[in-house]
Amino acid sequence: EAQVTQNPRYLITVTGKKLTVTCSQNMNHEYMSWYRQDPGLGLRQIYYSMNVEVTDKGDVPEGYKVSRKEKRNFPLILESPSPNQTSLYFCASSPRPNTGELFFGEGSRLTVL
Amino acid sequence: RKEVEQDPGPFNVPEGATVAFNCTYSNSASQSFFWYRQDCRKEPKLLMSVYSSGNEDGRFTAQLNRASQYISLLIRDSKLSDSATYLCVVNGNTGKLIFGQGTTLQVKP
Repeated sequence: EAQVTQNPRYLITVTGKKLTVTCSQNMNHEYMSWYRQDPGLGLRQIYYSMNVEVTDKGDVPEGYKVSRKEKRNFPLILESPSPNQTSLYFCASSPRPNTGELFFGEGSRLTVL
Repeated sequence: RKEVEQDPGPFNVPEGATVAFNCTYSNSASQSFFWYRQDCRKEPKLLMSVYSSGNEDGRFTAQLNRASQYISLLIRDSKLSDSATYLCVVNGNTGKLIFGQGTTLQVKP
């Protein structure tokens, strides 16, 4: 089954404790992206990657890091999480991003205390 | 001004009603437009693309008005299962997809 898989789906952590949210897709898509969704603000792009070893900042990259060592994986790293990073995070992939067809993972709800 | 703006609603309509949502965008150079659907606590999913000539998919019709820089989504004969948040998506300056904050629809029996 074609899918984008994120882990963990739910996480409660404390300020400053490094964490990684993994994202994996099995559709051989070149494009992958991370979004965060907050009430009243909609989906905002954090980072995206057009291909292996190519990553770029989105609209809200501060406090996040990503890597793209393999085509299928695009982990999101929070080196020192803060409470303002409490949010719902979505990973997405696409064969051709200009077509607008993004395939989203089920989301990861992160709470930073 | 936000690049993509939607009325957040909620729109509360009875079953069988026709409902329309608008979405305005600020970048006149935008070329690609889409509607996504997001169920509560779920991931967004592509509902339909919006073409210059307008397009229809069953009970759903999407239209583009370039002169006024808005796109619309019309849902006819609303079903309970249509209850969701509808996200307007437009490609921005760099080709990046920009999401609106969404319009919530509640269809009541």
